[in-house]
Amino acid sequence: DVKVTQSSRYLVKRTGEKVFLECVQDMDHENMFWYRQDPGLGLRLIYFSYDVKMKEKGDIPEGYSVSREKKERFSLILESASTNQTSMYLCASRGRSYNEQFFGPGTRLTVL
Amino acid sequence: AQSVTQLGSHVSVSEGALVLLRCNYSSSVPPYLFWYVQYPNQGLQLLLKYTTGATLVKGINGFEAEFKKSETSFHLTKPSAHMSDAAEYFCANNNNDMRFGAGTRLTVKP
Repeated sequence: DVKVTQSSRYLVKRTGEKVFLECVQDMDHENMFWYRQDPGLGLRLIYFSYDVKMKEKGDIPEGYSVSREKKERFSLILESASTNQTSMYLCASRGRSYNEQFFGPGTRLTVL
Repeated sequence: AQSVTQLGSHVSVSEGALVLLRCNYSSSVPPYLFWYVQYPNQGLQLLLKYTTGATLVKGINGFEAEFKKSETSFHLTKPSAHMSDAAEYFCANNNNDMRFGAGTRLTVKP
């Protein structure tokens, strides 16, 4: 089975802190994604990557950056956390285009 | 630009009743449509998908969906709801990225 893991299930940070969210997949997938999920808004794409060291902005990249140094790992970085970044963050991976995505369990981030 | 619209943010049914969750899409290219389910405090799991071929697609847990190009719809149904079906359901259309609807929370009453 495809497995996507995220480094933390719950995280509490203070405003202004730099935050790293890590995601690892074990199926050699080319594509990886970061979403945030908020009530009533569904999943909104922050960034995605279709190859090592490649990244593309999604719909809401402001305040975020990403890193993909290895194929299996995709990191989301909040350079200076703010309270409006309190949310559920979901990582996903996908093999060939048009196939389904496989999701990690999510990280619920609270910024105080 | 492509988009996905789910009609009804909350749907409540009685146990044993028909489940119908609505999804409409807009896309300038042939869509690749998915339904995912999310149980509390978990990630999303694939229920079913339509890419090409048969327009009636069967998925896990007794769910199915029908792709209707003329109506740009991909509604999810299940003949008889179970308590364990209570969850949030997301419709999605895949292009290079993946467009999700806002989600529908299904409640099943005993």
